[in-house]
Amino acid sequence: SQTIHQWPATLVQPVGSPLSLECTVEGTSNPNLYWYRQAAGRGLQLLFYSVGIGQISSEVPQNLSASRPQDRQFILSSKKLLLSDSGFYLCAWSAGQGYEQYFGPGTRLTVT
Amino acid sequence: AQSVTQPDIHITVSEGASLELRCNYSYGATPYLFWYVQSPGQGLQLLLKYFSGDTLVQGIKGFEAEFKRSQSSFNLRKPSVHWSDAAEYFCAVGAHNAGKSTFGDGTTLTVKP
Repeated sequence: SQTIHQWPATLVQPVGSPLSLECTVEGTSNPNLYWYRQAAGRGLQLLFYSVGIGQISSEVPQNLSASRPQDRQFILSSKKLLLSDSGFYLCAWSAGQGYEQYFGPGTRLTVT
Repeated sequence: AQSVTQPDIHITVSEGASLELRCNYSYGATPYLFWYVQSPGQGLQLLLKYFSGDTLVQGIKGFEAEFKRSQSSFNLRKPSVHWSDAAEYFCAVGAHNAGKSTFGDGTTLTVKP
């Protein structure tokens, strides 16, 4: 069966520090991968999605970047965090475009 | 472009009462439709999905949803709500090889004892 992992679960970082969140998927090949952010009490904001290694689509201009160095690995990064980067970050995968998505447990990021 | 509207931001029901959460979508072709549930501090879990065929789909945890093309709706229902159903519910629309899915803003369900 397929499994999706995210780490860390919780992170507190000072403004201006770098960020690296990692997401890995097991049990499937060539998944579509997604990064979402959820602000407190708000819906999902799609940040990036990827249909293959090295193929990244950015949905909104922002302080973040994403990379997909391996088929089942998706990394969210920032060189310098802003207070507005705080939120709940969710990684997800799907078997193809438009299909149902399976979500990881999320990372709670607090920028202080 | 596809879009999803969940008209109710917050719904409160008594335990044991029936539930209906509304979802309206906009899409030019036959959509794929989904409902997800999110408990506080957790990721989203797929409740059910509609791709084609029978317009009444059954999901996990006793939920069902009905696709009504004429109304562009995909409402989620449950005959008897349990306290553990309190959560955030998201409707989403997608289409085969047509890019990413679009999520609604969510409906928060509170269950009164």
